[in-house]
Parts: sequence; structure tokens; C-alpha cells
Amino acid sequence: AQKITQTQPGMFVQEKEAVTLDCTYDTSDPSYGLFWYKQPSSGEMIFLIYQGSYDQQNATEGRYSLNFQKARKSANLVISASQLGDSAMYFCAMRDVGAGSYQLTFGKGTKLSVIP
Amino acid sequence: ETGVTQTPRHLVMGMTNKKSLKCEQHLGHNAMYWYKQSAKKPLELMFVYNFKEQTENNSVPSRFSPECPNSSHLFLHLHTLQPEDSALYLCASSPGTSGGAVDETQYFGPGTRLLVL
Repeated sequence: AQKITQTQPGMFVQEKEAVTLDCTYDTSDPSYGLFWYKQPSSGEMIFLIYQGSYDQQNATEGRYSLNFQKARKSANLVISASQLGDSAMYFCAMRDVGAGSYQLTFGKGTKLSVIP
Repeated sequence: ETGVTQTPRHLVMGMTNKKSLKCEQHLGHNAMYWYKQSAKKPLELMFVYNFKEQTENNSVPSRFSPECPNSSHLFLHLHTLQPEDSALYLCASSPGTSGGAVDETQYFGPGTRLLVL
């Protein structure tokens, strides 16, 4: 069974607008961590933001925020005021204890294109 | 800016060649990872080293052989590869703890794009 689901293969957003990238996850562990990474065409995976399952508040990092809805098992990434440099692949990932301490499970990604 | 470097960035090799990928991290971490990223597939974890000891091998074929001489360096030795091994190979590092932690962030290098002919 797929543990991380990203249902949007591709998204378009106008420059300076906000965009939400969807991520749902599946785990039976009470303790888990959720991560978002950005991968430009150059290939490097860039860490953006982290949300822990016990965190009471949604994580924020600059223009990035995570809309964490635990009951729905969703962890959507919100990018505010999109910039041309935000065009990239975005990956949602999860680590839970059941998967082994060191294994990050990644989704298939969403390709975001920012339109001038 | 990245604290994880990988060389070479691009590699073309024949099926009978032997080559090695190198990864170096400057973050003072103790855990290092190899991932494979194929087109249209999620990132796949290949190997994990924690404090220089291999802790995970996710059923990777023996034609891939990892080596971790110290906590800062990680190699992936390649021999008699197949065309389906063509992919982006990413190295990552994380602080590393004895039991692991769900909040431990992995930091990635730029990857090596490998093409096997």
C-alpha cells in the first residue's frame, strides 16, 4: 500500500499567488514525521519544512507553511507569494517508527510551474 | 549552498565498466544514505550507514557495493550494471542517533546522473 500519496502530478500558479500542494499519508504509528523537499531541475533535494505528529501548531518556514490535518492524514504544503524560482518538483515524505528508524518514504512528487 | 557534495555529477558507463560514485558531507553528521531516483518512480532508499556501520540494505543487487570509510565519506561502487540502473543517484546525510528519530532531517547532495549503455 502506498504510504505517501501526492495526487497532483503537475500544478500551475501565477507569480505572486499562493499555491497548495497536496499530500496524504498512511501510517498506524502514533509518532511520525512529515517532510517536504524541493527538487529543481539541477537534481538536488532541498529540505523545506518539517511537521511532527505531536506538534500542536502547523509548521511555518518563511513563505512555506504546512497545513497539517491529522484526522484526515493530510500534510499539504502552502507556498505563499510564488516566485519564478519556485518552479520545481516537490516531494512529500514521511518517517515513522514502523518503517525503520532511518527510512524516509517519498511520494511521487508534484511538478510546480510558476507563470510570470 | 549545500553541505553534501557528490562527484561526478554525470557519468556514462558501459555494462562491463567499473566506476565509483563519491559523496562527502561537511555537516558533522553521522548517518549517510544512498538513494536511487528513476523516472516516474518515488525515491528509493538503497543503503544506510550510521556511525560507519551499514544498518540498512534494501534488497539492492550486488552489482552495487557501498563503502563508508568514515562518517564524512560514502562511496557507491558500480560494476556490470544494466541499462535499467540508469537513474539519478542521490546521497544524503543526517545527524544520526543510536535509535533514530522521526524528526531527523536528511540533507541531500546534488546527485549523480548515471547512464548505462
